[in-house]
Amino acid sequence: DTEVTQTPKHLVMGMTNKKSLKCEQHMGHRAMYWYKQKAKKPPELMFVYSYEKLSINESVPSRFSPECPNSSLLNLHLHALQPEDSALYLCASSQARDWTEAFFGQGTRLTVV
Amino acid sequence: QKEVEQDPGPLSVPEGAIVSLNCTYSNSAFQYFMWYRQYSRKGPELLMYTYSSGNKEDGRFTAQVDKSSKYISLFIRDSQPSDSATYLCAMSANTDKLIFGTGTRLQVFP
Repeated sequence: DTEVTQTPKHLVMGMTNKKSLKCEQHMGHRAMYWYKQKAKKPPELMFVYSYEKLSINESVPSRFSPECPNSSLLNLHLHALQPEDSALYLCASSQARDWTEAFFGQGTRLTVV
Repeated sequence: QKEVEQDPGPLSVPEGAIVSLNCTYSNSAFQYFMWYRQYSRKGPELLMYTYSSGNKEDGRFTAQVDKSSKYISLFIRDSQPSDSATYLCAMSANTDKLIFGTGTRLQVFP
C-alpha cells in the first residue's frame, strides 16, 4: 500500500472561515509534508514534520497552521485565508527525514472566495 | 540560476515514439533523484526513484542519472496517449527538501 489519502478533495471557503485539511498514510513513514501547487507550477514546500515534530516551516503565513497528531496523520488548519491562497494542497510522506521514495496524495483543491 | 532546470514544453509526439525528458541541476550535493507524473488536477505520482548515479529501468520507463554532468533523464518507450501528462523531476541533497523542476508537459497523440 503506497497510498496517501487526503480529505476533502475539494473545498470552497470564505475569507472569514476556519477549515482543516487532513492527510493520512499507513506506510509507517515518519516524515510528512505539506506542499502548495498553483496551476502550471511545481509544488512548493510549506511544512515538514519529522517524527511528529515540525522540522521545516518555509516562512508560511500564520493563517496556515499545521498539526501532526500522530505518525499517520497530518492536518493543515486554515483561517482567514486570502483569494491568492487558492491552490492545490498536497500532502506527501517518506520513510524518514532523508528523501527516499516520497509519495503524494491526490490533493485538496482549495478555492477561497 | 535555478537549482533545477526543466524545459516546460509542451512536447508533442506520436503514439509509439520514444520520449526523452531531461533536467539539469546546479547543486552537486543532490543524491536522490525522482520522476513524477502528474495528470491535470491530480497529485504527483512517483514513477522512478534513483539514488546517486546510474540507470534504472521499470517497464517502458528508464531513468538515467549523470552526476558528472549534473543531468538526469527519463525515457519512455512505446509512448501511449495515456502517458500524456506533466512530468516533474525532483531531487534532494539528503535533507528534508525536495526540489522540483518546473515540469514538462507531454502530449502523445494517436
